[in-house]
Amino acid sequence: GAGVSQSPSNKVTEKGKDVELRCDPISGHTALYWYRQSLGQGLEFLIYFQGNSAPDKSGLPSDRFSAERTGGSVSTLTIQRTQQEDSAVYLCASSFLDSTDTQYFGPGTRLTVL
Amino acid sequence: GNSVTQMEGPVTLSEEAFLTINCTYTATGYPSLFWYVQYPGEGLQLLLKATKADDKGSNKGFEATYRKETTSFHLEKGSVQVSDSAVYFCALNSRNTGNQFYFGTGTSLTVIP
Repeated sequence: GAGVSQSPSNKVTEKGKDVELRCDPISGHTALYWYRQSLGQGLEFLIYFQGNSAPDKSGLPSDRFSAERTGGSVSTLTIQRTQQEDSAVYLCASSFLDSTDTQYFGPGTRLTVL
Repeated sequence: GNSVTQMEGPVTLSEEAFLTINCTYTATGYPSLFWYVQYPGEGLQLLLKATKADDKGSNKGFEATYRKETTSFHLEKGSVQVSDSAVYFCALNSRNTGNQFYFGTGTSLTVIP
């Protein structure tokens, strides 16, 4: 595609439910990033993939969060047993090779946990 | 640890005014530094970057110089336009910490005619 796409664009869920957020990076980009932006806050780095591998998962806020990437392309961020504090905009970005390259951001998924 | 601190907004300027948005950082090793911009209704996009000390990043009339001695990466533009109204984010990347990115909280700029 022309850019990074994310789905859904908006997700409203009830506390305790699981949600899955999807990111389609730009074709050919080997690096993929997930961030979280809470209201009035900066971007919080969650995880980084180089290919299908995530060398460092320490940015994930809790063990309820997990992410995977398959085929060096699509990535999913899963939040289990959602809490109200998980409400935020989740952003995905991709870059051609590694973190010194320009990151291209998707439009984000706005998650609201009631 | 690594962190980025940028000046709080919102900032309101008249067209053709001089802009400075301050950004300072704390990092281990030798990070790369970035400014990202988010225009109204659009996604984040890279504005400029610098990967080593004394490098100057520039784009669209904006400039920022990587100052290791003051751990700063201030964003400047000599004459702002209404179309520069956006939110600006300073960020650093540190390979020492697994390619994690650290973003500031963003500074909202409004330029009035």
